[in-house]
Amino acid sequence: DAGVTQSPTHLIKTRGQHVTLRCSPISGHKSVSWYQQVLGQGPQFIFQYYEKEERGRGNFPDRFSARQFPNYSSELNVNALLLGDSALYLCASSLGGQTLYSNQPQHFGDGTRLSIL
Amino acid sequence: GENVEQHPSTLSVQEGDSAVIKCTYSDSASNYFPWYKQELGKRPQLIIDIRSNVGEKKDQRIAVTLNKTAKHFSLHITETQPEDSAVYFCAAKKVYGGSQGNLIFGKGTKLSVKP
Repeated sequence: DAGVTQSPTHLIKTRGQHVTLRCSPISGHKSVSWYQQVLGQGPQFIFQYYEKEERGRGNFPDRFSARQFPNYSSELNVNALLLGDSALYLCASSLGGQTLYSNQPQHFGDGTRLSIL
Repeated sequence: GENVEQHPSTLSVQEGDSAVIKCTYSDSASNYFPWYKQELGKRPQLIIDIRSNVGEKKDQRIAVTLNKTAKHFSLHITETQPEDSAVYFCAAKKVYGGSQGNLIFGKGTKLSVKP
């Protein structure tokens, strides 16, 4: 079975531009979470989605938005890019469904390395 | 909100020795504690997790202990091997009504196992 897949793997943008990152969860997983990992730090939670609805939001500005599609894939959008947005963006999936409120393992993709010039 | 502290930030051991990484959390309602291993340039990989109704869990050379009273949990790796070298992250999460909650990560421990 394929794991969590993310695209693109690397991306270079300039300040002020916008970016869209994509994530496909593990087959059968209905919940997707997004994290930002700055070099030398642990991942920081951005969003969680389940059944196309936002179920959680971290402490990130409104320039960050996301959505989930009927096939459970997800997109993370970042507008008006700043130098500080340079990071590894990780997507993680978990089962969701009737077990949404239980403690389910989250499995990560390889991430998208975003560099802002 | 939840805060997770992780120590040490770097750890160097000889092959065959044991390694211990410790984390403390602030929110007593947290009830799920996973550990991830991240090799350079790769994804975080779940290596073991523990729920708040359990005090200890073991999987081959890896074990995790949880002390809910003190709000700390630890990762123990025995008989370390060079391939155990990586950055290890602890995390905490609480599940509450209407949301599955989100993982709060520590800052990581860089483990180096010397042959």
